[in-house]
Amino acid sequence: DGGITQSPKYLFRKEGQNVTLSCEQNLNHDAMYWYRQDPGQGLRLIYYSQIVNDFQKGDIAEGYSVSREKKESFPLTVTSAQKNPTAFYLCASSTAWNSGNTIYFGEGSWLTVV
Amino acid sequence: AQKVTQAQTEISVVEKEDVTLDCVYETRDTTYYLFWYKQPPSGELVFLIRRNSFDEQNEISGRYSWNFQKSTSSFNFTITASQVVDSAVYFCALSGARAAGNKLTFGGGTRVLVKP
Repeated sequence: DGGITQSPKYLFRKEGQNVTLSCEQNLNHDAMYWYRQDPGQGLRLIYYSQIVNDFQKGDIAEGYSVSREKKESFPLTVTSAQKNPTAFYLCASSTAWNSGNTIYFGEGSWLTVV
Repeated sequence: AQKVTQAQTEISVVEKEDVTLDCVYETRDTTYYLFWYKQPPSGELVFLIRRNSFDEQNEISGRYSWNFQKSTSSFNFTITASQVVDSAVYFCALSGARAAGNKLTFGGGTRVLVKP
């Protein structure tokens, strides 16, 4: 089945540790995204990638890093510099970066700092 | 700057009632795109509909219908004869042509609770 797979679904991190969230898509989409969702709120864009080997900061990139070495993969690293990392993280993709392309989402990953 | 407002934070209905979710947007773009997504308790955002600014036709898909009115900058969503499975958070989102690529601006979401 075509889709976007995120792992792990639940992740606990100790303060000061870096963690990496995996995102894989088999939709052959060029553009990929990472969004953050805090309880009771909408989504905010962390990073996006228009095409392989390219990525750009979104609205809340501080404390996060990404890579796009393969078209199908867009992992997100939450670094120790992220002051409040506990949140729900959603990976997404679209056929292209052009405005208006429908963005499809994965099932999300819950990150809790303990 | 773009903005999407979903004034209703939570709506509770009894099964088979109709429910309408309001979405009001702000943009300076003449070409833009509006979306609705459903987020069930599992967390995944499910795409429901995409509408461009030049298409003001209302749309119906099964029990779902959408009313797009440019004059009032609104893109409202109605669930007819609601079912328990409709319980979810619903997000309205906007992508403007002038914006940097395919950047979505989301509303705060409306939680719908359908009671049996």
